[in-house]
Amino acid sequence: EVQLVESGGGLIQPGGSLRLSCAASGFTVSSNYMTWVRQAPGKGLEWVSVIYTDGRTSYADSVKGRFTISRDNSKNTLYLQMNSLSADDTAVYYCARLFDTAIQYFDYWGQGTLVTVSS
Amino acid sequence: DIQMTHSPSSLSASVGDRLTITCRASQSISRYLNWYQQKPGEAPKLLIYAASSLQSGVPSRFSGSGSGTDFTLTISSLQPEDFATYYCQQSYITPWTFGQGTKVEIK
Repeated sequence: EVQLVESGGGLIQPGGSLRLSCAASGFTVSSNYMTWVRQAPGKGLEWVSVIYTDGRTSYADSVKGRFTISRDNSKNTLYLQMNSLSADDTAVYYCARLFDTAIQYFDYWGQGTLVTVSS
Repeated sequence: DIQMTHSPSSLSASVGDRLTITCRASQSISRYLNWYQQKPGEAPKLLIYAASSLQSGVPSRFSGSGSGTDFTLTISSLQPEDFATYYCQQSYITPWTFGQGTKVEIK
């Protein structure tokens, strides 16, 4: 059974840093495109970052230069390092697998972890 | 970035109703369009991919259509568990973008 379990969220002051983790089971993280998607309270969904099977990464403009996506193949875990956080980064952060065939879609999602940036 | 726009943004409906939700892309995206369902406090769930392909395990009352810029999600007979927010998402080009959602509420 495929499962994604996020952790690492919490309350952080503006300007602070946080690292989110997403432990995967039922499939191999390094053999799939893995992403982070976030949702601000009461708002819609926003794609944040992707790491491809070859290790290339890409980011939304809103987080470029501040967030870093990575993975640990030995732990089958995805990470998101978030620096220089602001109130605009307050959201539930989901990790999701991006299934890649002729079309790409987010087929498996974690339960999400809440990040609150506030003083 | 490609903008995705839902209409309506919310609606009220009754169990058994036939429901159609529309999503419009700001430029042509061929059939690179996916639909998700999200219930309060839960993660999104994939319903439809490639505009009209039903994800495994999703009830057949859900269907999708469209290409280019205009897409629809149809629920043939609304069930109590279908009251949720529905999002379209384009995978034509990065950044992948979602619509603002259509919230389906009980009348």
